[in-house]
Order: sequence, then C-alpha cells, then structure tokens
Amino acid sequence: DSGVTQTPKHLITATGQRVTLRCSPRSGDLSVYWYQQSLDQGLQFLIQYYNGEERAKGNILERFSAQQFPDLHSELNLSSLELGDSALYFCASSPPDGTFVSGNTIYFGEGSWLTVV
Amino acid sequence: QKEVEQDPGPLSVPEGAIVSLNCTYSNSAFQYFMWYRQYSRKGPELLMYTYSSGNKEDGRFTAQVDKSSKYISLFIRDSQPSDSATYLCAMSRGGGSYIPTFGRGTSLIVHP
Repeated sequence: DSGVTQTPKHLITATGQRVTLRCSPRSGDLSVYWYQQSLDQGLQFLIQYYNGEERAKGNILERFSAQQFPDLHSELNLSSLELGDSALYFCASSPPDGTFVSGNTIYFGEGSWLTVV
Repeated sequence: QKEVEQDPGPLSVPEGAIVSLNCTYSNSAFQYFMWYRQYSRKGPELLMYTYSSGNKEDGRFTAQVDKSSKYISLFIRDSQPSDSATYLCAMSRGGGSYIPTFGRGTSLIVHP
C-alpha cells in the first residue's frame, strides 16, 4: 500500500457527462500528480499541484481540470466525456521539495478506472 | 520521437531465466532513472532508482544506466512467476523539476 488513496475505483458513465476523481496523497506529501494510462498511449502526465498551487501542466485537455485543496487532497474533473477518455487515471504524490530520499520518485495510488459508454 | 522509448513486449520467459528490460531516451538532461513495476490493474510501484550513470543492485534486480548511450536496463535474475507484471522505466531532470517521464512499459510473463 503506497498510502495514496483514490476514489472511486471504477466508474462507468455516458458520453457528454462529467465526473470527479478524488485523491488523498500520502501523509506529509505536498505534491499531487495526475496521470492517464491507456493501452495505446501509456502513462501520460496531466498536471501537478504543489501545496495547493498548480506547478506543471502536461497533456491535459481543456475539458479536464484539477485542483488541490487546503487539506492537500486533489480532485480531477473530467467533463464532456468522450469514448476516448476511457482509461485508468492515477494520482501520485511526492514529498516536499528538498526531502526526497529515493531520487525523484513519486508514489502512485491504485487508480480510478473510467469507462465511457 | 518520444523522449523515452520502451518495447511493450510481451516478453515471455521460463522461470529461472535472466530477464533484461531496456529503455532508450533522447533527453540528455535526465539525471534520475527509475524502474516501476505494475501488476495488472494496480498502480505502479517503485522498484529501483539510480542517479546518473552506473549500476545498482537490490537482491535479484540490477539497474544499469549508460548516459553516454542514453540507455538504461533492468536485469532480473532467477525470474519467478510472481515477477510477471509490466515494468515501466521513468526518468527526470535534476533540480526543481521532479516530473518523471515514463516509458510505455514492457509486459513480462514468467511461466513455470
């Protein structure tokens, strides 16, 4: 168990709908990352938050948004869903800057499996 | 060309074999090199990490980095069926940028 908690584990929704994925980072971690994993694209970085502020943006669609709250949990909002958005969405967390003990490693949750029908 | 290239496999080997998994990369700024293991429908878990070039050994696992060739490897000795998983390489720049770039992962199957 990595200590990163994601909910829900599975969800099925229709095209055009909106869903929210939730993530609680490991205790003490300030950074939260969101990744999308699909069979054809592999693990794609979407966005990173650090202590409530957006720090880096990857290949995140405009239909997707995220935020990190004062208690450090994060939510990823996916709207106007399309069939191609079906994927595993992972949240990961990492320790505060300057406190890494094992390189630039990040710790993943179990993922939220989204199926758009 | 992707920054990190990794053959997706699958790689099928008999139990007890030595397994070699590899990644190549194009960005010479990468300083940290990691291997993650991902079981089916689970989150990736860190297996090993290496800073800059060289070798690192942990039990049956050995990670190698050759920065001159932009090539990293993970060797698994005496492979077991429980090693069957997808292995993802990841790498990142030093300094303040801690976002790893991942390879697509190689699916490994160790059959008894």
